[in-house]
Amino acid sequence: DTGVSQDPRHKITKRGQNVTFRCDPISEHNRLYWYRQTLGQGPEFLTYFQNEAQLEKSRLLSDRFSAERPKGSFSTLEIQRTEQGDSAMYLCASSFPDRTEAFFGQGTRLTVV
Amino acid sequence: AQSVTQLDSQVPVFEEAPVELRCNYSSSVSVYLFWYVQYPNQGLQLLLKYLSGSTLVESINGFEAEFNKSQTSFHLRKPSVHISDTAEYFCAVSEAGAGSYQLTFGKGTKLSVIP
Repeated sequence: DTGVSQDPRHKITKRGQNVTFRCDPISEHNRLYWYRQTLGQGPEFLTYFQNEAQLEKSRLLSDRFSAERPKGSFSTLEIQRTEQGDSAMYLCASSFPDRTEAFFGQGTRLTVV
Repeated sequence: AQSVTQLDSQVPVFEEAPVELRCNYSSSVSVYLFWYVQYPNQGLQLLLKYLSGSTLVESINGFEAEFNKSQTSFHLRKPSVHISDTAEYFCAVSEAGAGSYQLTFGKGTKLSVIP
């Protein structure tokens, strides 16, 4: 078990471009969460999946953001038409559905220039 | 909705001294409480959690936290810190029994242990 893996670790993009991040959860973890952490703040919940179903989305997740988990394994988070305010660390976490402990990846740091 | 307040953004402390990192929360429903730690260039790791039962919970590396319902607090303490405890600590809550276990985090406290 190699833990939660996120790719890429760092991404620099120009404003207006689309970006996609990938998260590979711990195998057999049914739940997968996305959080966003901006400088000086704690992580903020974006969305979560149980298997392939997206069960909850935060109001932070504007219509430029979309997340998928097509086969209930890895997940992608896409941001369209990036803005400077999207610059943040994007964290992925996974867990068993009946467990409170979530295991976090190291995150993808996005910088929009 | 829940909210978490970590009263100190930075806490410097000398090695082998005691430390307390403060956390207060607000919620209209019952909550579970967590402390996560983030070492430099690493992901968040669960340090300890309170779900129910004894209000004093301990971690394997000497930290402890006490759930105080009347004061809506979950302060983290360690009687003697080590250099290796230098990290950022996040207090978090989730709604008990909600099923999603999504976490609401505080802004974090950076603990710096001074040799």
